[in-house]
Amino acid sequence: SQQGEEDPQALSIQEGENATMNCSYKTSINNLQWYRQNSGRGLVHLILIRSNEREKHSGRLRVTLDTSKKSSSLLITASRAADTASYFCATDTGGFKTIFGAGTRLFVKA
Amino acid sequence: DSGVTQTPKHLITATGQRVTLRCSPRSGDLSVYWYQQSLDQGLQFLIQYYNGEERAKGNILERFSAQQFPDLHSELNLSSLELGDSALYFCASSGHYGYTFGSGTRLTVV
Repeated sequence: SQQGEEDPQALSIQEGENATMNCSYKTSINNLQWYRQNSGRGLVHLILIRSNEREKHSGRLRVTLDTSKKSSSLLITASRAADTASYFCATDTGGFKTIFGAGTRLFVKA
Repeated sequence: DSGVTQTPKHLITATGQRVTLRCSPRSGDLSVYWYQQSLDQGLQFLIQYYNGEERAKGNILERFSAQQFPDLHSELNLSSLELGDSALYFCASSGHYGYTFGSGTRLTVV
């Protein structure tokens, strides 16, 4: 199975609500990254959190990392229709490849 | 423009054929990664090159091969194409910030 697994697989919310996506992984990591992908487009890097960090913010994004539980969460506050996309977590285990999860599909209804 | 350039954007070809996908990494990035994304799937890591040398291999079929040239651009060669090879193929380059993805090549095998 994937190193990084997102949960839920799909999420539908109303504009203005908060969206929370979770990522679990199996092995120790150097860092964890979150990416957004609009339909059929390339992935856009959102935020990177290192293994010695617990929380990071970027605009309306808040990422937490719990290395003891091997999990991370991405919170998008005050969601907008434009946030509709797939969100992927990716783990860097120190090898030469970063492993991506299958993603969470977020639908924000106007 | 992410700085990672992929060509062509779309490719339609018949089964049994061979195609070459091209990627130019972000200026200054030495690593190039190739990923395959099938419909509604996460990204599957194929292969990574660093400064012209293969560094890591993922789930890359024997019918697929890649190389990175002295000017750091990379090519992914797909041969004996099958219908199941239809997918988005992304290339990414990396720095300390995470990955930067190209906009992808959509391959359709008919």
